Amino acid sequence: GAGVSQSPSNKVTEKGKDVELRCDPISGHTALYWYRQSLGQGLEFLIYFQGNSAPDKSGLPSDRFSAERTGGSVSTLTIQRTQQEDSAVYLCASSPSGWGSPGELFFGEGSRLTVL
Amino acid sequence: EDKVVQSPLSLVVHEGDTVTLNCSYEVTNFRSLLWYKQEKKAPTFLFMLTSSGIEKKSGRLSSILDKKELSSILNITATQTGDSAIYLCAVEAPGTASKLTFGTGTRLQVTL
Repeated sequence: GAGVSQSPSNKVTEKGKDVELRCDPISGHTALYWYRQSLGQGLEFLIYFQGNSAPDKSGLPSDRFSAERTGGSVSTLTIQRTQQEDSAVYLCASSPSGWGSPGELFFGEGSRLTVL
Repeated sequence: EDKVVQSPLSLVVHEGDTVTLNCSYEVTNFRSLLWYKQEKKAPTFLFMLTSSGIEKKSGRLSSILDKKELSSILNITATQTGDSAIYLCAVEAPGTASKLTFGTGTRLQVTL
């Protein structure tokens, strides 16, 4: 696609429900990143994919968070049993670079998650 | 743990003023520093600075990397209301996987 596409753009859910956030990166970009941005905070790294593999999951805040990427393209971030502190904007970014250097990241417009 | 600190956290200026935004970092194996502009949702890329390219300029925006001081500045001259945004600094921290470590950003508001 022309840019990184994320869906849904907004999601309101009740505490305890599961949510899935989707990211469709720029075609041909091998690297894909998930970041989280809470109100007044910077971007917090969650997970990095190179192709379908996730060599760095160090930012996932708990085992309620998981992500996968299929076909070297679309990625899904899943949050189980959501908590209010999960409320944030979840940003996906992709990069054409392979191993070694991310260089410039191309960001999607994010999915705003609100947990009531 | 890699760390990126930006200052000020926010500032308000009048159109036409010149502003300087600061970014300092503590990372191992520094490779590059990037500046992004976030107006509403998606951060957009401004500059990437490396050891071989410590100064970049584009129109009214310019940025310098000081590897000795482990810092960078972003200058905006003759500010316009369209410059109002959050400016994010990020540092590349290669290791087992490449990722960018971001600062909390500086919120700039340009008023008429």
